[in-house]
Amino acid sequence: NAGVTQTPKFRILKIGQSMTLQCAQDMNHNYMYWYRQDPGMGLKLIYYSVGAGITDKGEVPNGYNVSRSTTEDFPLRLELAAPSQTSVYFCASSYSEAYTDTQYFGPGTRLTVL
Amino acid sequence: QKEVEQNSGPLSVPEGAIASLNCTYSDRGSQSFFWYRQYSGKSPELIMSIYSNGDKEDGRFTAQLNKASQYVSLLIRDSQPSDSATYLCAVKESSYKLIFGSGTRLLVRP
Repeated sequence: NAGVTQTPKFRILKIGQSMTLQCAQDMNHNYMYWYRQDPGMGLKLIYYSVGAGITDKGEVPNGYNVSRSTTEDFPLRLELAAPSQTSVYFCASSYSEAYTDTQYFGPGTRLTVL
Repeated sequence: QKEVEQNSGPLSVPEGAIASLNCTYSDRGSQSFFWYRQYSGKSPELIMSIYSNGDKEDGRFTAQLNKASQYVSLLIRDSQPSDSATYLCAVKESSYKLIFGSGTRLLVRP
């Protein structure tokens, strides 16, 4: 199993450009998440999904959109990139909502908006 | 706003010593607590989880939970330079949402 994979690893965007961060998992996990991590900070939840076709906002959703058409994939769309979106983005997944279940993280995408 | 608080550090310990990392949380109803290790430039990696009051040991790692005091800690025995990383405390807010602390940076001096 590859686990959680993310592409690209690094990206530089100009202000106002758009892009999609890709995330895929091969563990048949129902739950998927997008986080951002700013320098010296913890992870903030952007969006999450509890299954194909079902998504909801997290703590910091403004400026982002998601979709989940399959169990495996959970792309994150940035529209009109702004310098405040410079961050490291992590995708994660978990199997169920059980309180003992934890989240497994992908390697991250480092995004710079200039 | 539910919060998870950690001292940012750095916590510096000599090789072979015990490193003690602490975390407090605001939601008294929380049931699940996790410690993640994050090396610089890498993603968080789960090292311990704990759900009941008391201690849970796994190799050189011991997690301690005190729900009455809303306090969870991680002890690392016989610290090694390879343990130098940022340690993130995470608390499950609901069935699927984790709230993360900002992390404690640990430095183990050879």
